[in-house]
Amino acid sequence: AQSVTQLDSHVSVSEGTPVLLRCNYSSSYSPSLFWYVQHPNKGLQLLLKYTSAATLVKGINGFEAEFKKSETSFHLTKPSAHMSDAAEYFCVVTLTGGGNKLTFGTGTQLKVEL
Amino acid sequence: EAEVAQSPRYKITEKSQAVAFWCDPISGHATLYWYRQILGQGPELLVQFQDESVVDDSQLPKDRFSAERLKGVDSTLKIQPAELGDSAMYLCASSLLPSGGELFFGEGSRLTVL
Repeated sequence: AQSVTQLDSHVSVSEGTPVLLRCNYSSSYSPSLFWYVQHPNKGLQLLLKYTSAATLVKGINGFEAEFKKSETSFHLTKPSAHMSDAAEYFCVVTLTGGGNKLTFGTGTQLKVEL
Repeated sequence: EAEVAQSPRYKITEKSQAVAFWCDPISGHATLYWYRQILGQGPELLVQFQDESVVDDSQLPKDRFSAERLKGVDSTLKIQPAELGDSAMYLCASSLLPSGGELFFGEGSRLTVL
């Protein structure tokens, strides 16, 4: 069985300050982990993915995430938030080599204030 | 840039009526997925197709939901009869590979059942 827990349902930051969106996972086997972003009334877009290569993964729009097996975490970070980053972010887990059955977290709504 | 097309974007219906959603995946993507996203939750897989074959429909409520992909290209998801609890966003996604590949999502079809 696999699951993800997004620790914050809402995060609010000021423009230009760092962003931290937290995610913990549970997986019986070697997981693949993803972060997706969903802007209002839009489909989900892949930000980045971890598939057992480098533990620090760089994605689009300046986002990155670090896979920490000892902490079962895959937190998403960005050094400086931009207004356009306001959206909902989903942490997702799937089994490496286990097909594309994705298990989504409940999402974190990111608000960016001036 | 190739996109996953979905229609309609919005659908309002009364309970007990029939509704249908259509999805056209990115050309060449053999794997197609239907997800349901209830407000405030992450998407949940309803059905996964590989070409025209269903590979996972374990979470599809088969008493009222049906999905088909007759020619292995576009797909239709039907609900009959609709119930109040079916109000949600229905997301279609496609991927080039059945395992380990990136999923590309459409903008979704938002269903409201009155």
